[in-house]
Amino acid sequence: DGGITQSPKYLFRKEGQNVTLSCEQNLNHDAMYWYRQDPGQGLRLIYYSQIVNDFQKGDIAEGYSVSREKKESFPLTVTSAQKNPTAFYLCASSTTTVANTIYFGEGSWLTVV
Amino acid sequence: AQSVTQLDSHVSVSEGTPVLLRCNYSSSYSPSLFWYVQHPNKGLQLLLKYTSAATLVKGINGFEAEFKKSETSFHLTKPSAHMSDAAEYFCVVSANNAGNMLTFGGGTRLMVKP
Repeated sequence: DGGITQSPKYLFRKEGQNVTLSCEQNLNHDAMYWYRQDPGQGLRLIYYSQIVNDFQKGDIAEGYSVSREKKESFPLTVTSAQKNPTAFYLCASSTTTVANTIYFGEGSWLTVV
Repeated sequence: AQSVTQLDSHVSVSEGTPVLLRCNYSSSYSPSLFWYVQHPNKGLQLLLKYTSAATLVKGINGFEAEFKKSETSFHLTKPSAHMSDAAEYFCVVSANNAGNMLTFGGGTRLMVKP
């Protein structure tokens, strides 16, 4: 099945710890994205990448880091510098054609304990 | 710059009655508009999109939306609600000069009463 796989579905982080969320797609999409969703709110863009080995900050990049070493993979690291990391994280991908559809993964819940 | 306003944070309807979820947008350029649905603890699924073709767009599960440039609106409708329609709905705009950068509305939670 073609799609976007995020893992883990649920993750708990201790104070001061870095954690990494995985995102893999087999849709052959050039562009990938990470969004953060807080309860009852819309999505905010953290980082995006339109080509391998290149990525740009979104609206709320502070405290996060990404890499794009392979077309299929776009992992997100939530660093200890992110002071309020508890949220639902969504990975997405698309072609780079203007106004093409963006497809989303099933999301990952991160909770600070 | 672009923005999206979903005029109702919550909408409650009875099963079998019509659904109307309202969305207004602003964009400096000719926009593309989308409606996505999100069920609890799930990712977003595309319902429909408008990309400068027909102004009345039909989507999945009986939903449709009409693009009205004069009113800068893109309201989502369905003639008859089903219990399975209960979910969060997001109106999204993408300026056609900005690649695939999306701006999301705050969402509307649709509740369907039996």
